[in-house]
Parts: sequence; structure tokens; C-alpha cells
Amino acid sequence: KNEVEQSPQNLTAQEGEFITINCSYSVGISALHWLQQHPGGGIVSLFMLSSGKKKHGRLIATINIQEKHSSLHITASHPRDSAVYICAPFSSGSARQLTFGSGTQLTVLP
Amino acid sequence: ETGVTQTPRHLVMGMTNKKSLKCEQHLGHNAMYWYKQSAKKPLELMFVYNFKEQTENNSVPSRFSPECPNSSHLFLHLHTLQPEDSALYLCASSQEPRGGAYEQYFGPGTRLTVT
Repeated sequence: KNEVEQSPQNLTAQEGEFITINCSYSVGISALHWLQQHPGGGIVSLFMLSSGKKKHGRLIATINIQEKHSSLHITASHPRDSAVYICAPFSSGSARQLTFGSGTQLTVLP
Repeated sequence: ETGVTQTPRHLVMGMTNKKSLKCEQHLGHNAMYWYKQSAKKPLELMFVYNFKEQTENNSVPSRFSPECPNSSHLFLHLHTLQPEDSALYLCASSQEPRGGAYEQYFGPGTRLTVT
């Protein structure tokens, strides 16, 4: 069983919809990355957070350390948001060690 | 050049070849990483270098050999690879403070195909 579980694995939405991607993890962590991977492979860091909530443009990330759960929300989704979204906690045993979820493939249709 | 760059972007090699992947970061970071992403699998950490010293090696086969000559450059030397080594190889860098977690910045990756 993967230490990091993301849901859903695949998500198709219409442009303008509100999107939620969930991440649950079983290891103790110090912080958590949300990453975006476009076709072609490049990965962009969206957020790193260790508590509460962060917002950047239409993206919002939340984390509940006690419940070992994080969510990524996209408001007013757009076709350019289509990508794979990856949750990656930093295990508290090694701050360099990211454990990666399998990713959520998001497709936003115009 | 800005951020993290990787060359080549695509590489096809035979099982008996020797090749090297190169990563360069222009962010002034002191830690660099190699990751492997196989089809339908999560990213896997391969190696970590901090201040040019290898600090982590996640049980990677010896046919993969990293080299970090300075804090800006990282190489992955490849020899006698297997077809199952075909994957996307990603480099990342971070600025490591004394304790805490570090945001990592990724390169575009090298798509490797072993024939």
C-alpha cells in the first residue's frame, strides 16, 4: 500500500468548475508539496505547506496535520489547468525525502 | 538560463552504451536530486547531494552512477542499462536551511529509452 494516496486518480471537468483533489498519507510529515506536471514531463512546485491554508491565484491548498490529509482546490477551472497534480509529503524522518503520490490526471474541457 | 536545466531532453541508448545525463541549476541552491519516473508509477528518489556530498542513495543499482563536481552541476552516468530503466529522469534542486523542509525546483527531465 502506498504511503500516499490521492483521489481521484482521474478527473474530467468542464471549464469553470470548482475542482478538489485529495491527498491522504500515513507517514509523519514536516511539510507537504503540491506539484503540477504537464505533458512532456516538466514539474512545477505549486505549494509547500506545513499547516493551514495557502492561496495563489485560483489555487488553494489546505492541510490538516492531525488528520494526515491535504486538499488542492482549483476555482474557475480552465483548460490550461489540465495536467497531473502530485501530492508529495516530506517525511519527518528526513526533510529531504519526498514521498510521492501517484498523481491525479485532471482534464478540463472547454 | 534560469532555473534548473537538463540535457539532453531525449536519449535513446542501447544496453551496452555509456551515456551521461547533465543537470545544472542557476538558483544558487546547495542541494540537488535525481528522481526517476517510470510509466504509471510515482516519482522515486534516486540520489541526493548536499554541499556536493552524497547524502542519500535509495538502493539504486550500480549501473547508475552520480557525480556532483560542484553545487551547480549534477551528472548521472549510465552504463549497461536494462530496458526497464527506460523512464523520465528528473533533476531538482533546493536551498537547504539548517532543519526544516525545503521547496524543490525541478528541471524539465530527460526522457530515456533503452533499446
